[in-house]
Amino acid sequence: QAVLTQPSSLSASPGASASLTCTLRSGINVGAYRMYWYQQKPGSPPQYLLRYKSDSDKQQGSGVPSRFSGSKDASANAGILLISGIQSEDEADYYCMIWHNTASVFGGGTKLTVL
Amino acid sequence: QITLKESGPTLVNPTQTLTLTCTFSAFSLSTSGVGVGWIRQPPGKALEWLALIYWDDDKRYSPSLKSRLSITKDTFKNQVVLTMTNMDPVDTATYYCAHSTYYLDAFDMWGQGTMVTVSS
Repeated sequence: QAVLTQPSSLSASPGASASLTCTLRSGINVGAYRMYWYQQKPGSPPQYLLRYKSDSDKQQGSGVPSRFSGSKDASANAGILLISGIQSEDEADYYCMIWHNTASVFGGGTKLTVL
Repeated sequence: QITLKESGPTLVNPTQTLTLTCTFSAFSLSTSGVGVGWIRQPPGKALEWLALIYWDDDKRYSPSLKSRLSITKDTFKNQVVLTMTNMDPVDTATYYCAHSTYYLDAFDMWGQGTMVTVSS
């Protein structure tokens, strides 16, 4: 079982909000980890969006709009990237990442389609 | 502003060793807390972290690839070199280097990447 699992795709309408989830493998407690989120558009390298562990331990990437935010769902053992007021330019692949046992681990990515 | 650029061969034969260089500017690997990592992405697939080196020569490797990887730094040249031995067609990917810090722990600035094809 993968350390981080993301749904492969998600669609959303312009102006709506979307929650992208990143579920940790059973036995790995989301509450103990900082989760990082990256956006990647076709033909471009990933761009760092934000880091979230808790409301008192979070960091927004330089120049990243505030409509991108992080949270957690402890009951689902998952980190969440919330995108509010979705725009067409938000259509991209989104990856979560954690540091687990001194190694970086990426999720499989979610392709967000803006309809 | 911080920039990073990857360089190396575009085509590698199976079983050969790949050597990639990351040349960066606007930061120094002699500065406390600074690190440079390598991440790869096979065509159409997800990101995979490979290795990271910090200013103090602390090195971290992907557990699944550790036996094949080596990461070194040249502080004076502002370069980080990644070598990967025994290349296989499944290692065909775009290889990225990225800036990190011990404090943020994110890869906050990335190079454009270099595509490496493993084929005979």
